[in-house]
Amino acid sequence: DIQMTQSPSSLSASVGDRVTITCRASQLIRDDVAWYQQKPGKAPKRLIYAATRLTSAAPSTFSASSSGTEFTLTISSLQPEDFATYYCLQHQSHPYTFGQGTRLEIK
Amino acid sequence: EVQLVESGGGLVQPGGSLRLSCTASGFMIRSNYMSWVRQAPGKGLEWVSIIYSDGSTFYADSVSARFDISRDISKNTVYLQMSDLRPEDTGLYFCAREVHAFFGMDVWGQGTTVTVS
Repeated sequence: DIQMTQSPSSLSASVGDRVTITCRASQLIRDDVAWYQQKPGKAPKRLIYAATRLTSAAPSTFSASSSGTEFTLTISSLQPEDFATYYCLQHQSHPYTFGQGTRLEIK
Repeated sequence: EVQLVESGGGLVQPGGSLRLSCTASGFMIRSNYMSWVRQAPGKGLEWVSIIYSDGSTFYADSVSARFDISRDISKNTVYLQMSDLRPEDTGLYFCAREVHAFFGMDVWGQGTTVTVS
């Protein structure tokens, strides 16, 4: 199974800050990686697909990159609505696996 | 509007069974990959199962041999038959659509809650 190791598990930041969340895959994978935002009691919302492509639902302050086994989500300037939990997902092979999640909190 | 609506959750005793339903609107499930993803209370997301457009199925190790995913194309509905339920199966169960492997799971339902106790 492909493991996705996500870090940090939690992050405290202020509005306007730049933050980066990383997922490291346990083996080389293609760019079959997506990033999701989840707020309490709600379904996950897809922000990024194909490792680096922004969906129409994602603000322009979000970006993503990939290099080898490392996948990164960056928020360039935190807005109040960005405080949530973020997950990466690899959907290249079964079982699909999510990262453990990063809880982004307001400082 | 593209939408997924889950139903069928509830309270069940350990060892019991439950069937979840996920009804799609705005698109045809037969042309898409449909997954179930669950989330235990206060925990992260866990992929459970998938049924592909060709009808092939895959499962997480934790549920294989106990869960069965299926679909009724005429009802545009995906099912998750769960048997031999355990307390660790408790959680919010989401269904999600994947148009193609390139795009990942793009549309999600609101979830249905399963409690095994």
